[in-house]
Amino acid sequence: AQSVTQLDSHVSVSEGTPVLLRCNYSSSYSPSLFWYVQHPNKGLQLLLKYTSAATLVKGINGFEAEFKKSETSFHLTKPSAHMSDAAEYFCVVSDASGGSYIPTFGRGTSLIVHP
Amino acid sequence: DTGVSQDPRHKITKRGQNVTFRCDPISEHNRLYWYRQTLGQGPEFLTYFQNEAQLEKSRLLSDRFSAERPKGSFSTLEIQRTEQGDSAMYLCASSARQDMNTEAFFGQGTRLTVV
Repeated sequence: AQSVTQLDSHVSVSEGTPVLLRCNYSSSYSPSLFWYVQHPNKGLQLLLKYTSAATLVKGINGFEAEFKKSETSFHLTKPSAHMSDAAEYFCVVSDASGGSYIPTFGRGTSLIVHP
Repeated sequence: DTGVSQDPRHKITKRGQNVTFRCDPISEHNRLYWYRQTLGQGPEFLTYFQNEAQLEKSRLLSDRFSAERPKGSFSTLEIQRTEQGDSAMYLCASSARQDMNTEAFFGQGTRLTVV
């Protein structure tokens, strides 16, 4: 069965400093991986996705993530945090388990950005 | 608006009442998902449809929960005899294809409060 572990429930950074949100996955297949962002009172928005092409994936708003199969990780990074990045971030895995391709979410990481 | 639409956005109901939520997916998306999200948690998968066929419903939380997608377009999620523990955000998502590389697009959700 597929699963995702987001290692931090909260990450706090200062504006202008780097962001690292950690995600480890478990899958019996070659998975696809996604990061979504959820701003307060807004719907889930796709930041980026990995689908077995380039292991370094660039997304919107300056975010990127690197797929590391040996570490079963898909950490999200951004060189410089902005106040508007404060939100909940979800790592998501999808694989061919049972032929269903059902996106499975992590518990989320709350990113707090201090001025 | 060409995104996923959910109605109502908010629902307050008394314990024991039945509620029904509607989801209109992106036009021509043949896959539709329902998730539940409680405070501080990631979305939890409930069920999904491929066109009008409900392919997975074992993860519905109890037999009080049911979903339909009669013509392969919009879907409804019904909760009978609501309980306070049903209070949560109910999310609908759709995707264009049945494969793990295709991202799901989410609606803004229906927030249910059972009093």
